[in-house]
Amino acid sequence: SQQGEEDPQALSIQEGENATMNCSYKTSINNLQWYRQNSGRGLVHLILIRSNEREKHSGRLRVTLDTSKKSSSLLITASRAADTASYFCATDGGIGGSYIPTFGRGTSLIVHP
Amino acid sequence: EAGVTQFPSHSVIEKGQTVTLRCDPISGHDNLYWYRRVMGKEIKFLLHFVKESKQDESGMPNNRFLAERTGGTYSTLKVQPAELEDSGVYFCASSQGKARYNEQFFGPGTRLTVL
Repeated sequence: SQQGEEDPQALSIQEGENATMNCSYKTSINNLQWYRQNSGRGLVHLILIRSNEREKHSGRLRVTLDTSKKSSSLLITASRAADTASYFCATDGGIGGSYIPTFGRGTSLIVHP
Repeated sequence: EAGVTQFPSHSVIEKGQTVTLRCDPISGHDNLYWYRRVMGKEIKFLLHFVKESKQDESGMPNNRFLAERTGGTYSTLKVQPAELEDSGVYFCASSQGKARYNEQFFGPGTRLTVL
């Protein structure tokens, strides 16, 4: 079964608004990571949150993790046109499981200027 | 410090031809990974090198794909012969230290189109 399913698949907002993306997964994890991919470019690592952490911040980014619900959210505050990209969550296989991150299909975010 | 680089950025070939993709990891990173994203689908793991050894190649789709990492530096991924379903973006990533605990840094990807 698929680890790291992002929701929604697509999100369109106006500049200045907040954008929230969710990620659900099925098995236990050690870490959950969020990545961004701008069109035609590689994946950029945004945040890594460990299974014993509940929230992390980095600039305008806020990531939460709820291991009881097996879900994570990525909040981008005061969005900018430059935030337009695809966002992926990636999970590993937890204790004793695979260390290889498994990616979802991503959320495509469009921020209109 | 230079990041992960990949070459070429784009490749368009015909079905049946051979293509070789190259990845240069960040200097000093022992771990090197290949991933692939087929249009509209998830990014899938292909394989993992630790230095020159294949640690995990469970994601390699079939024997038309051959990855090497001679000398534990750069890596190549050869597709021979290429099929239409091989089209997609091929990402390379590298990390240092223990693979389980360290961030992977991704390259810009090679977009492969097989006609």
